Amino acid sequence: NAGVTQTPKFQVLKTGQSMTLQCAQDMNHEYMSWYRQDPGMGLRLIHYSVGAGITDQGEVPNGYNVSRSTTEDFPLRLLSAAPSQTSVYFCASSLNIWGTEAFFGQGTRLTVV
Amino acid sequence: AQTVTQSQPEMSVQEAETVTLSCTYDTSESDYYLFWYKQPPSRQMILVIRQEAYKQQNATENRFSVNFQKAAKSFSLKISDSQLGDAAMYFCVSMEYGNKLVFGAGTILRVKS
Repeated sequence: NAGVTQTPKFQVLKTGQSMTLQCAQDMNHEYMSWYRQDPGMGLRLIHYSVGAGITDQGEVPNGYNVSRSTTEDFPLRLLSAAPSQTSVYFCASSLNIWGTEAFFGQGTRLTVV
Repeated sequence: AQTVTQSQPEMSVQEAETVTLSCTYDTSESDYYLFWYKQPPSRQMILVIRQEAYKQQNATENRFSVNFQKAAKSFSLKISDSQLGDAAMYFCVSMEYGNKLVFGAGTILRVKS
């Protein structure tokens, strides 16, 4: 029972480089989301999706793109990395039922130098 | 927009004793969900307890219970018989309609043996 799987777990990028953080879930959850965690700020919502082909912006979407071509996968793309994007990134999934538990991946620690 | 405030950056408790973590929130909705999530050093996010706002009864899960005061918009977490494994960052989280989560800044709980 894998749950939510994020890759990679750690990444160092140079300013201006691009990369994709991968997220996959095997629970057939409709709702998937990306958060970033910064010291003293908790987790903040970047983008979310309520199903394949549907995405929307969260609180801090600038600098990030997402797509949802399948129910299982929800990749997060950084087109041109900036030092301000140094953070820990979490992917989460849940049933698209209000109030249901969100299941989180183990996070990706990204450093942009 | 919802906001969640955790005013205690760090708390300490002696093993086997009881500790209470504070949380206040602000919302214009009449119904919503509140959660406490635990994040140990492994970074994994783990659901501790959930409360639906329209339910008057405080939620309880084994050694974990909440004191939900809807009028005061307060949602504290009580941990009884604290164990070394309870040491973690604890996040108070709110959810309005839809599954978007709003996190507090977190409280680091240290357990002394």
